[in-house]
Amino acid sequence: QVQLVESGGGVVQPGRSLRLSCAASGFTFSSYAIHWVRQAPGKGLEWVAVILYDGSNEYYADSVKGRFTISRDNSKNTLYLQMNSLRTEDTAVYYCARDLGWLLMRWWFDPWGQGTLVTVSS
Amino acid sequence: QSALTQPPSASGSPGQSVTISCTGTSSDVGDYNYVSWYQHHPGKAPKLMIFEVSKRPSGVPDRFSGSKSGNTASLTVSGLQAEDEADYYCSSYVGSNNVVFGGGTKLTVL
Repeated sequence: QVQLVESGGGVVQPGRSLRLSCAASGFTFSSYAIHWVRQAPGKGLEWVAVILYDGSNEYYADSVKGRFTISRDNSKNTLYLQMNSLRTEDTAVYYCARDLGWLLMRWWFDPWGQGTLVTVSS
Repeated sequence: QSALTQPPSASGSPGQSVTISCTGTSSDVGDYNYVSWYQHHPGKAPKLMIFEVSKRPSGVPDRFSGSKSGNTASLTVSGLQAEDEADYYCSSYVGSNNVVFGGGTKLTVL
């Protein structure tokens, strides 16, 4: 079945870096845009970034622009999120989610992974 | 871009219907039919329940329905069941390759 599994979360000090991964299976990974969405403790969902199916374009929320980089390796069916200059407010569960559109962006997320927790603390 | 406005909580008894609202502006909900709804049981992966305002993905019960009027979208859950108890989030495309979520509504089945 279609599955997304995140990894790479952990505790990191402010100002440091962390890279998250999202391993996909059960579908043609190279045909779908993939998003990162996060949820801070006790807060709602916040869209973070998206990368098109072929990696040709990527878009970011203003809150992470210039600090986070989304990328993908279609040969490995894997999505990444490189997070630099981390701040305490980046503490959240990070989910990867497939866009519903095939070869185009529809901005609907299905399915989602289980998430990986990133804690930014000194 | 501000988050969409949802009531923090909603409740209903088994078998009843409950409607959750999602209020945006003429620049997001009112301007696009890219409204979707997600069910989130804490600790689990969120699940798409409604997309394009009112369409249901395969496997989602027809007890779940969506609609939109002006700048407000709504999710209605009919015939409430215990397993419907969860957090629900709306989202809308807002242009410029950006999307915004609502603050979430905790649905309690009494």
